[in-house]
Amino acid sequence: RKEVEQDPGPFNVPEGATVAFNCTYSNSASQSFFWYRQDCRKEPKLLMSVYSSGNEDGRFTAQLNRASQYISLLIRDSKLSDSATYLCVVNMRNTGKLIFGQGTTLQVKP
Amino acid sequence: DTGVSQDPRHKITKRGQNVTFRCDPISEHNRLYWYRQTLGQGPEFLTYFQNEAQLEKSRLLSDRFSAERPKGSFSTLEIQRTEQGDSAMYLCASTPLEGQGPDTQYFGPGTRLTVL
Repeated sequence: RKEVEQDPGPFNVPEGATVAFNCTYSNSASQSFFWYRQDCRKEPKLLMSVYSSGNEDGRFTAQLNRASQYISLLIRDSKLSDSATYLCVVNMRNTGKLIFGQGTTLQVKP
Repeated sequence: DTGVSQDPRHKITKRGQNVTFRCDPISEHNRLYWYRQTLGQGPEFLTYFQNEAQLEKSRLLSDRFSAERPKGSFSTLEIQRTEQGDSAMYLCASTPLEGQGPDTQYFGPGTRLTVL
């Protein structure tokens, strides 16, 4: 079983749609949680950190449920430019190494 | 450019050859990480340094792989006797140990290795 599991998709949605991604993690020693965005053949870039209280950045909302070891990302009013792979990431206590999920591919269509 | 840089950006080599990649982290970032990413997968941790000390190596890092960070600044990753299964994107990331969130890692553009 992978330490971080995501549905790889692809998710094909029309512009303006709301789309939600979920992931689960298995290691309770996970300390911090993130969503990274990766465009084709580019490096991952931090989209947002994820907190238990939930956090929002414009059209993006992230949520963490530590009890269920579950992380979510909601994108509202999808834009064509949101098309990318979204990586669910946990940071391990002490070492700081990042454990990535497989990534979920989003394709927003006109 | 004050971001993480990697060199070369692309490398094509024949099976059995040795290759070396370089990563220059953001200045004064104490921690430096190497990851490998194959097609359709997320990046996988290989190893990391805190200053010049290599503190952890993944079991993915076979004895053909070696990494160094001799002066606590740039790092090199060498693969000896390359195999076709080594074909991947090799990503470097750095983070400060203290200050602005040690959790946040900044990635370089990666070195894409193709082994023929």
